[in-house]
Parts: sequence; structure tokens; C-alpha cells
Amino acid sequence: NAGVTQTPKFQVLKTGQSMTLQCAQDMNHNSMYWYRQDPGMGLRLIYYSASEGTTDKGEVPNGYNVSRLNKREFSLRLESAAPSQTSVYFCASSEGTGFDQPQHFGDGTRLSIL
Amino acid sequence: QKEVEQNSGPLSVPEGAIASLNCTYSDRGSQSFFWYRQYSGKSPELIMFIYSNGDKEDGRFTAQLNKASQYVSLLIRDSQPSDSATYLCAADDSGGYQKVTFGIGTKLQVIP
Repeated sequence: NAGVTQTPKFQVLKTGQSMTLQCAQDMNHNSMYWYRQDPGMGLRLIYYSASEGTTDKGEVPNGYNVSRLNKREFSLRLESAAPSQTSVYFCASSEGTGFDQPQHFGDGTRLSIL
Repeated sequence: QKEVEQNSGPLSVPEGAIASLNCTYSDRGSQSFFWYRQYSGKSPELIMFIYSNGDKEDGRFTAQLNKASQYVSLLIRDSQPSDSATYLCAADDSGGYQKVTFGIGTKLQVIP
């Protein structure tokens, strides 16, 4: 059972380049999330999708866009990468149908912007 | 801004002792609380969650919730070196339970 799969696992970009981080879940979950994790800052929500067809901003959405392609897939796009976006990015999913539904995380993407 | 506060540590305990990890939250409407363990360089993995006042036990782990004090704790009994990790506390968002707010995590070191 794969759970939440993120690609790529590592990426180095130059300032101004664009890229898309991919996330797919096979648990038939309704809700999906993108977080970034920086030292001393904890996990911060970038965007989330409560259900297929909807997306909403989280705490730190600037510089990012998302697409909920279908129920399984939720992608995160950096249009013009900046060094401040160097971070570890985690995708997560949850059933999202009740208040006691935990989130399940992918292995993360380690992104460096030079 | 909804907040979940944790002491970043490190918290050092000897092997076999009880480790006590604490968390406070600002959103009085939060209903569910989650504890995740994160090993260095790895992703967070769920240990347990709690939504009723009192204690919830799962093996060596006990989560405690006091909504009146807006306080959540995680006790790890018979701590092992393999428990050395960062423990993240999270509280759901009363404005929409699909979202949670995470604390920065407490780093636990179990000394053999």
C-alpha cells in the first residue's frame, strides 16, 4: 500500500525557474494538503483541497499555485522560484469527513533554490 | 492567527524513564488533537489522536487532553533510544476541521 507518493524526492533549481511538485494518494481520501517545513518554523500550510474541485489558501500561499487534478492527485507549482522557497515540501491527505481524521504524509520533496 | 505552542527542547530522558511532552493551543473551538513523530530527515507519522477530555492509551503512549486549560500532553512510558525523534502536536481548525495547525515540535533524546 503506497499511501501518499511525492515526486521528485530532491530537486535543485536556479532562481526564476519553474517546477511542479507532484502528489498522489491511493487511500480514496477527500482532502489533500501541501506544507513546507523549515528549521524552527514547523509545518506551515501552503494550500489545501478539502474535496475534489476545490482549493484554498493556507498560511503561506504567496509564490505558489496548486491544481487538484482529480481525487487522487494534487500538484504544487512554483512559477518563478526564489531562494526563500528552499525548503522541504510535504504533501498529506485525509478522509476529511469528520473532526477525528488524521493526515497521512508523503516522504517529502527536498527543494533547493540557488 | 491560531497557534499551537511546544517547547522545542531538546528533552533528554534516560532509557526506561517516562518522557512527558506538552502542548498548548489557542483555538478554543479545536476538537481533535494529534501527535506525530518525525525522525530526522523523514516525514511525520501519526502516533495517536485524542478528542475527548481525559486520557487515551495506546501501548507505551498515553495522550492527555484538558480542553478547559487548552492543554495536550503525550507520555511515553519505558522510553527507548528508538523513541528519539521530534514530536509534533497538532490541533484542528474550528473554522474547518479539514485543516490543522502544527506546533514546531519537541525534540526528544533518550539516553541509553
